[in-house]
Amino acid sequence: DTGVSQDPRHKITKRGQNVTFRCDPISEHNRLYWYRQTLGQGPEFLTYFQNEAQLEKSRLLSDRFSAERPKGSFSTLEIQRTEQGDSAMYLCASSSGTYNEQFFGPGTRLTVL
Amino acid sequence: AQSVTQPDIHITVSEGASLELRCNYSYGATPYLFWYVQSPGQGLQLLLKYFSGDTLVQGIKGFEAEFKRSQSSFNLRKPSVHWSDAAEYFCAVVLTSGTYKYIFGTGTRLKVLA
Repeated sequence: DTGVSQDPRHKITKRGQNVTFRCDPISEHNRLYWYRQTLGQGPEFLTYFQNEAQLEKSRLLSDRFSAERPKGSFSTLEIQRTEQGDSAMYLCASSSGTYNEQFFGPGTRLTVL
Repeated sequence: AQSVTQPDIHITVSEGASLELRCNYSYGATPYLFWYVQSPGQGLQLLLKYFSGDTLVQGIKGFEAEFKRSQSSFNLRKPSVHWSDAAEYFCAVVLTSGTYKYIFGTGTRLKVLA
């Protein structure tokens, strides 16, 4: 068990550019979550996958955001036409089983200039 | 709507003193509850969890928490704080239906004085 990994750890981009983040969950976990955390706040739910199906999207996830989980393994989160308000830590978590204890990755910190 | 409240944004304690961080939740059913710790620039580390059974749960690093259904609370405690405990602490409730997503509180930042 190598834990949840995320890539990149840090991303600096200019406003208007597109960015893509990757999350590799724990291999046997069928559930995958994306959260966003801004400074001084707790993480906020963005979206949820069960296997390859995206079953819930938060209203925080504007049309500029898209997430995929092809083949139910790794997941990508893409932000198009980034805005300064997108600057945040993006956390990925995976889980399985009855109690759904989620294991978090180290996060990707996005800075939009 | 489901929510988690951590009423203390900042707490300062002296090393060796006891600690209690408050967490109140709003959720219609019996929740699953968690406490996480986050050091600056780092991800979330699980301290302890409550699913059912004994309402006093033990976690890592000497932390414990008590679930009180009547007060809708899940307060985190430690009898003697170490300087390395300085970090941000988050309480979370898991919605036990549908997506099982976490609802986090806004966090409590702990400062430890030497």
